[in-house]
Amino acid sequence: EAQVTQNPRYLITVTGKKLTVTCSQNMNHEYMSWYRQDPGLGLRQIYYSMNVEVTDKGDVPEGYKVSRKEKRNFPLILESPSPNQTSLYFCASSFGGSDEQFFGPGTRLTVL
Amino acid sequence: LAKTTQPISMDSYEGQEVNITCSHNNIATNDYITWYQQFPSQGPRFIIQGYKTKVTNEVASLFIPADRKSSTLSLPRVSLSDTAVYYCLVGDRSSGTYKYIFGTGTRLKVLA
Repeated sequence: EAQVTQNPRYLITVTGKKLTVTCSQNMNHEYMSWYRQDPGLGLRQIYYSMNVEVTDKGDVPEGYKVSRKEKRNFPLILESPSPNQTSLYFCASSFGGSDEQFFGPGTRLTVL
Repeated sequence: LAKTTQPISMDSYEGQEVNITCSHNNIATNDYITWYQQFPSQGPRFIIQGYKTKVTNEVASLFIPADRKSSTLSLPRVSLSDTAVYYCLVGDRSSGTYKYIFGTGTRLKVLA
């Protein structure tokens, strides 16, 4: 089944404790992206990747890192999480040049 | 980057046709217009995409006037299960990047 998977689905952590949210897709998509969703603010793009080893900032990249060492994986790294990064995170992927993105199920992160 | 403006919310009754209009005054020549649907606690799902005039699929129709400064998503005969948030999206092709701005979307509530 074609899908985008994220892990973990739920995470409660404390300020400053490094964490990684994994994202994997099995559709051989070139494009991958991370979004955060907050009440009243909609979906905001954090980072995206056009292909392996090619990443760029979205609208809200501060406090996040990404890497794209393999085509199927695009982990989101929070080196020192803060409470303002408490949010619902979505990973998405698509074929290069297509606006039809496939979204993962989301990761609900709480930073205390 | 073309910003989009949509109504915050809309109510409709089952069986009615619903039209959601999106304004995108700064759309660039290479940009396509894409609409997504999102249910609570799920990732957005692609509905339809168009460049100009009219596009129709099994789920919806998309109307785009000649100046392309707005677009209208039309949902025929809505049911309770169409209650969701709908996002209008214009991809940024002007700089050769693939940034996306989802905005806050339109919350559609279908009443019995």
